Amino acid sequence: QMQLQESGPGLVKPSETLSLTCAVSGYSISSGYYWGWIRQPPGKGLEWIGSIYHSGSTYYNPSLKSRVTISVDTSKNQFSLRLNSVTAADTAVYYCARDGGYQRASGLFDYWGQGTLVTVSS
Amino acid sequence: EIVLTQSPDFQSVTPKEKVTITCRASQSIGSSLHWYQQKPDQSPKLLIKYASQSISGVPSRFSGSGSGTDFTLTINSLEAEDAAAYYCHQSSSLPWTFGQGTKVEIK
Repeated sequence: QMQLQESGPGLVKPSETLSLTCAVSGYSISSGYYWGWIRQPPGKGLEWIGSIYHSGSTYYNPSLKSRVTISVDTSKNQFSLRLNSVTAADTAVYYCARDGGYQRASGLFDYWGQGTLVTVSS
Repeated sequence: EIVLTQSPDFQSVTPKEKVTITCRASQSIGSSLHWYQQKPDQSPKLLIKYASQSISGVPSRFSGSGSGTDFTLTINSLEAEDAAAYYCHQSSSLPWTFGQGTKVEIK
């Protein structure tokens, strides 16, 4: 059974960089799917941040593209999110998820992690 | 960017009642529309993919329909465990976007 687990600091100071990692178990990241990050501010809706393939090919949401980097480490079977210059508006639960389109980014997220709350505050 | 607008924002429903949630896209997205259920303090769960395709393990009371710009999620005979927020999501064009959500409460 495939599982995804987010990890990283729960508190980040304004103007600093948010860094999260998603560890995948029960499935090899190199086996052919895209992997994505989605966030949800408290009490609000969902926002796609970006997606990555095991080759390193990425797609980003233009609204965040200037501040986002998604990377992959196939040796550790995990992928990561970095969001720089954060503000209070970046406070959210951050989810990692598998994109269900085999060998292509379909945008259909079929497996999700539990999510991790990141608060931006001094 | 494609905007998805759901209606209603909130619905209070009696068990066994039928629930209908609509999602309208700002431009045609074919059948690239998916539905998720999110219970409190849980991650979203995929309910329906590509407008009407069922997902293994999801109860048959959940169904989807529509194409182009207008889509519907139907819950036949609502059960107490269906209390949740429901989101539509489009994967027709980047950036992928979600509707604002519909909260379903059990009376």
